[in-house]
Amino acid sequence: QITLKESGPTLVKPTQTLTLTCTFSGFSLSTSGVGVGWIRQPPGKALEWLALIYWDDDKRYSPSLKSRLTITKDTSKNQVVLTMTNMDPVDTATYYCAHRIPPGSIDYWGQGTLITVSS
Amino acid sequence: QSALTQPASVSGSPGQSITISCTGTSSDVGSYNLVSWYQQHPGKAPKLMIYEVSKRPSGVSNRFSGSKSGSTASLTISGLQAEDEADYYCCSYAGGSTLWVFGGGTKLTVL
Repeated sequence: QITLKESGPTLVKPTQTLTLTCTFSGFSLSTSGVGVGWIRQPPGKALEWLALIYWDDDKRYSPSLKSRLTITKDTSKNQVVLTMTNMDPVDTATYYCAHRIPPGSIDYWGQGTLITVSS
Repeated sequence: QSALTQPASVSGSPGQSITISCTGTSSDVGSYNLVSWYQQHPGKAPKLMIYEVSKRPSGVSNRFSGSKSGSTASLTISGLQAEDEADYYCCSYAGGSTLWVFGGGTKLTVL
């Protein structure tokens, strides 16, 4: 059974750096073809893909946010970490981590964590 | 503005069928058979209902089906039930630098 869970602060101030951790179980991020990604959803708005890390440590980022994002993995801890710099109130959203299956679909999602950016 | 275009809302009565469209471009929906559909109830995480255009994950009702023609994908829900009332999002693999693009979401109301 695959599960994912996001953790991190609920409130960050503008210009600060956000660090989110995705802790997962039921699969290994060292298995060929597997990936873990991050998607966010502002309140009342649509989903937006942010970043993905593959089993082989290949990393992909949304072009519009690439300069602000870093994704890393710790296979031994079954964790993936996303950092986003220079947070702004428009970054207020629920952030989800999700499991990627080959050849290129997202199946399981975490419960999400609401991040509010406010001074 | 989302990359994929969905109707903002659709509605139907219990027992009826509805179809939600998802229009992309030749760079995403039109190029890959990697369209997924997600159901999202208020305050909940998205749930995968269809992947790779028309495949159903284990446990998803066969009332849900997917198809694609050119750059437009569709989700059909037959035999509408009250529990189907939710937001539905399409997603397509886009390759290149933008791996996935999402639709703006469609609110399904069961009358």
